[in-house]
Amino acid sequence: DAKTTQPNSMESNEEEPVHLPCNHSTISGTDYIHWYRQLPSQGPEYVIHGLTSNVNNRMASLAIAEDRKSSTLILHRATLRDAAVYYCILILYSGYALNFGKGTSLLVTP
Amino acid sequence: DAGVTQSPTHLIKTRGQQVTLRCSPKSGHDTVSWYQQALGQGPQFIFQYYEEEERQRGNFPDRFSGHQFPNYSSELNVNALLLGDSALYLCASSSPGQGAIGDEQYFGPGTRLTVT
Repeated sequence: DAKTTQPNSMESNEEEPVHLPCNHSTISGTDYIHWYRQLPSQGPEYVIHGLTSNVNNRMASLAIAEDRKSSTLILHRATLRDAAVYYCILILYSGYALNFGKGTSLLVTP
Repeated sequence: DAGVTQSPTHLIKTRGQQVTLRCSPKSGHDTVSWYQQALGQGPQFIFQYYEEEERQRGNFPDRFSGHQFPNYSSELNVNALLLGDSALYLCASSSPGQGAIGDEQYFGPGTRLTVT
């Protein structure tokens, strides 16, 4: 499976945008890019996913580099509730498993 | 609409014992996956059940087994417990037959297993 690399931790001020990077230089053409987050004492929660084009939903935006070797999860206005561990995950077209790494721990300060 | 539910919430077992964890998927979902999350680590995929059969398995020994019932609920069984099996066990469900590629997986709150 292709691997992802994320910073261990990031910090943001409340109500400011947050850009969470993910490197996946060995991504294959059929790998989908998924993002999940895990709030304290909860199970992971789906955030967004994409293949080649940038994607937007009510929670966040996903910007995918043209060569697909990196992507960025964008939270447009961070709130205290967004403090969580964010996981960038590659999934094979024919795969079913979510292979979580260690993720990025996001701290949001008032 | 109830989400994914898991029972029990917490469990303490002794090394060598056997344990059964239970999961009910979100309404309308027929696929159930199990994950193990050690403290400070990301969840690790154990296996996935679809149509009452194990569809994919992660790198876990045969001590870990599962079952899916006709109502789509699922059990995770772990035999001969080791201290290293202490972890949060997460269940996730997804919508019909699509696997992980396009579907959100909905996670339950997990069962915290402590092996002493």
